[in-house]
Amino acid sequence: QVQLVQSGAEVKKPGASVKVSCKASGYPFSNNYIHWVRQAPGQGLEWMGVITPSLGSTSYSQNFQGRVTMSRDTSASTVYMELSSLRSEDTALYYCARRGSSWWFDLWGQGTLVTVSS
Amino acid sequence: QSALTQPASVSGSPGQSITISCTGTSSDIGDYDYVSWYQQHPGKVPKLMIYDVNNRPSGVSSRFSGSKSGNTASLTISGLQAEDEADYYCSSYRASNTLVFGGGTKLTVL
Repeated sequence: QVQLVQSGAEVKKPGASVKVSCKASGYPFSNNYIHWVRQAPGQGLEWMGVITPSLGSTSYSQNFQGRVTMSRDTSASTVYMELSSLRSEDTALYYCARRGSSWWFDLWGQGTLVTVSS
Repeated sequence: QSALTQPASVSGSPGQSITISCTGTSSDIGDYDYVSWYQQHPGKVPKLMIYDVNNRPSGVSSRFSGSKSGNTASLTISGLQAEDEADYYCSSYRASNTLVFGGGTKLTVL
């Protein structure tokens, strides 16, 4: 079954970091870039960045430069998104999404809720 | 990075057609044919409806179509159905390997 399965919900204090995982299955892991998109409660989608599973190269949104790090473990077919210096505004549902042949997403993870609260 | 501009809401009656606009700049929509549209029902994961301006993925109804003119892209839904009621987001490639989403449009089927 082709799917992206993300790690479970997290509760963090302001200033802390969070690392969310996204495990791919059912297709060749290295074939498709993986993007991260977040959605704050009641808000729209926000692109965070992308990682190429084969090379591990990354590109990040300017909105998260310096705070976000994306990585991958090819042996586990898993990509990770770590966000540091968390603040309350980072409370959101974080999605990983598989890129198709160009800049569109044909497969999404189920989402990981990250709550930042003191 | 500023988002693409979409109307906050649109509405239509069953059977009618509606169009949702998505306005960007010459650095994104105006310069690249990498516009996509996503449908999101409450509590659900976004679903790809249109990619590369006017292409429909397999399984998406032909009632959905996309177009682009200058810095503005559009999603048209014809023969509105109750199940089309959802939030719709556009996205576009923007230079330097980045992507930008629109703020989203809530479609209400009256």
